[in-house]
Amino acid sequence: QSALTQPPSASGSPGQSVTISCTGTSSDVGGYNYVSWYQQHPGKAPKLMIYEVSKRPSGVPDRFSGSKSGNTASLTVSGLQAEDEADYYCTSYAGRNNLLFGGGTKLTVL
Amino acid sequence: QVQLVESGGGLVKPGGSLRLSCAASGFTFSDYYMSWIRQAPGKGLEWVSCISSSGTPISYADSVKGRFTISRDNAKNSLYLQMNSLRAEDTAVYYCVIDRGAVAGDYFDYWGQGTLVTVSS
Repeated sequence: QSALTQPPSASGSPGQSVTISCTGTSSDVGGYNYVSWYQQHPGKAPKLMIYEVSKRPSGVPDRFSGSKSGNTASLTVSGLQAEDEADYYCTSYAGRNNLLFGGGTKLTVL
Repeated sequence: QVQLVESGGGLVKPGGSLRLSCAASGFTFSDYYMSWIRQAPGKGLEWVSCISSSGTPISYADSVKGRFTISRDNAKNSLYLQMNSLRAEDTAVYYCVIDRGAVAGDYFDYWGQGTLVTVSS
């Protein structure tokens, strides 16, 4: 099964909001509410930012939010800060023994 | 606090084998599903394999099925990945992760620091 589709890059100025999309199909993103988002800084392990479409783990700022419409999930970062500059990956459950990742989006804070 | 420490990575020739280990601490290891996720240099993330809290069921990505074997020892709080018939495309950082949520692969809230596997002649 193909990977989920994310834009390769996104950018915004400090204080602005930016939204990163993650497009799949009705067999993955559209079929289940098991979409999660990970932030990865260079040389570091990924960090969970959003799970089950819109839930935020303890310790993740409420500037990060997730949503889904049809076959597309979205991660919105509000009030952009310099430390938000990183790579972001979405994942979706796609049935038993099948988990898909997006190709990643490099977020640049201008 | 939760710690996942991978080891066993290194340089191996195509066709060779390697066994990765992950030492877990700070949580009740035997209560959780565990997975391996990898990341090729400069590339995105790829789920590799998942094992239930008891050891079965087990699942694999198609790209490693038949070559990799995941296992765990709950008495030793350890997760393993036996990798055989290695190929150049298996070159990646391998992360040990706690697999949480309602279904296997729902989300991964703790990650190790990763161990690099390089397959090259």
